[in-house]
Amino acid sequence: GAGVSQTPSNKVTEKGKYVELRCDPISGHTALYWYRQSLGQGPEFLIYFQGTGAADDSGLPNDRFFAVRPEGSVSTLKIQRTERGDSAVYLCASRPSNTGELFFGEGSRLTVL
Amino acid sequence: AQTVTQSQPEMSVQEAETVTLSCTYDTSESNYYLFWYKQPPSRQMILVIRQEAYKQQNATENRFSVNFQKAAKSFSLKISDSQLGDTAMYFCAFIHGGATNKLIFGTGTLLAVQP
Repeated sequence: GAGVSQTPSNKVTEKGKYVELRCDPISGHTALYWYRQSLGQGPEFLIYFQGTGAADDSGLPNDRFFAVRPEGSVSTLKIQRTERGDSAVYLCASRPSNTGELFFGEGSRLTVL
Repeated sequence: AQTVTQSQPEMSVQEAETVTLSCTYDTSESNYYLFWYKQPPSRQMILVIRQEAYKQQNATENRFSVNFQKAAKSFSLKISDSQLGDTAMYFCAFIHGGATNKLIFGTGTLLAVQP
């Protein structure tokens, strides 16, 4: 499709497990963002990629969270030793390098039991 | 640090009437963009309208318009002729035009359009 694609749409896991969330951005978009949105809150910035490199990872809450974008397209957000507080919707967005607009996917809802 | 404040957690409007959602922001930069995003229950963020800080003219998109007051750091959204499909969370957001290209969101306003 032409939009940002995120998989899985929903993920339920147990405390302590490892989780991967995938984002497939719009073709040709060099910038990619991950956000976390807790219930009733606005999205919080996690990490921003320009091409293959993480240009700003200041929003990652701790070292259990890691993200990669090895070929400058698809990105994976990895969460180790999940905790109940990690439950949220994880949003991915992509952006052409020279405009201000971000295009969002529908998010991956993570529930940690 | 840049911040975005939306002081109205919830708003309600009758169908066909006009409603204004408030947003203020704080930045020391001069080059930036402002946005209003709509988030229906489907979760996907949909861009409603954008404003470049260097433009004095207020942006307009059909029934949606903004009142951009740069000196006051205010960026309100006006929805005219409200429709039932406008019911959603609305987020005000800010992005710096320089190297730190992260979009910063407010906490959102839940708008309910009543029939």
